[in-house]
Amino acid sequence: NAGVMQNPRHLVRRRGQEARLRCSPMKGHSHVYWYRQLPEEGLKFMVYLQKENIIDESGMPKERFSAEFPKEGPSILRIQQVVRGDSAAYFCASSPEVTGGGYNEQFFGPGTRLTVL
Amino acid sequence: LAKTTQPISMDSYEGQEVNITCSHNNIATNDYITWYQQFPSQGPRFIIQGYKTKVTNEVASLFIPADRKSSTLSLPRVSLSDTAVYYCLVVSGNYQLIWGAGTKLIIKP
Repeated sequence: NAGVMQNPRHLVRRRGQEARLRCSPMKGHSHVYWYRQLPEEGLKFMVYLQKENIIDESGMPKERFSAEFPKEGPSILRIQQVVRGDSAAYFCASSPEVTGGGYNEQFFGPGTRLTVL
Repeated sequence: LAKTTQPISMDSYEGQEVNITCSHNNIATNDYITWYQQFPSQGPRFIIQGYKTKVTNEVASLFIPADRKSSTLSLPRVSLSDTAVYYCLVVSGNYQLIWGAGTKLIIKP
């Protein structure tokens, strides 16, 4: 069973371009989470998605950022008109269906390192 | 909503037991407590999860007092390879995730 896959692993964009980050969850997992980690800082939750639904986007910047998890295919985190401050590692995680209470084990991918020139 | 607070950093020595405490004063009845470990340039990795009292697995123990307002991750006999950042996470019953800022643990020889 392959783990969570993210691509690309490294992405370089110039200011004003768009960045698309992809995440393929583990087989059988229907929940996906996106996180951002700035250099030398902690993990920051961005968004939590279930197939075709956004469950919690409280950590998403209000502008330029969007995420989707379609019925078929990977989850996509899209950053429009990137700025230097968007340079960070973006991690995706997945979990199986949450069966009760708050039990939740997330499996993280290796991350995408975004560099904005 | 529960807010999680943990120390920014800790130092210890090989062979010692390390305890990292996380405060979550507003934890709700259905919330679970989870701990993750992160090495540089890698995604975090699940360590342990619990609801109350004590949970133990092959790598760690998690102690949760009766009021559940804090939790302590215990790493027995640490080695240099346990140097990492440790995150406390409260998972609510309505799917909200409240992450701590992480504790940077440095193990010295």
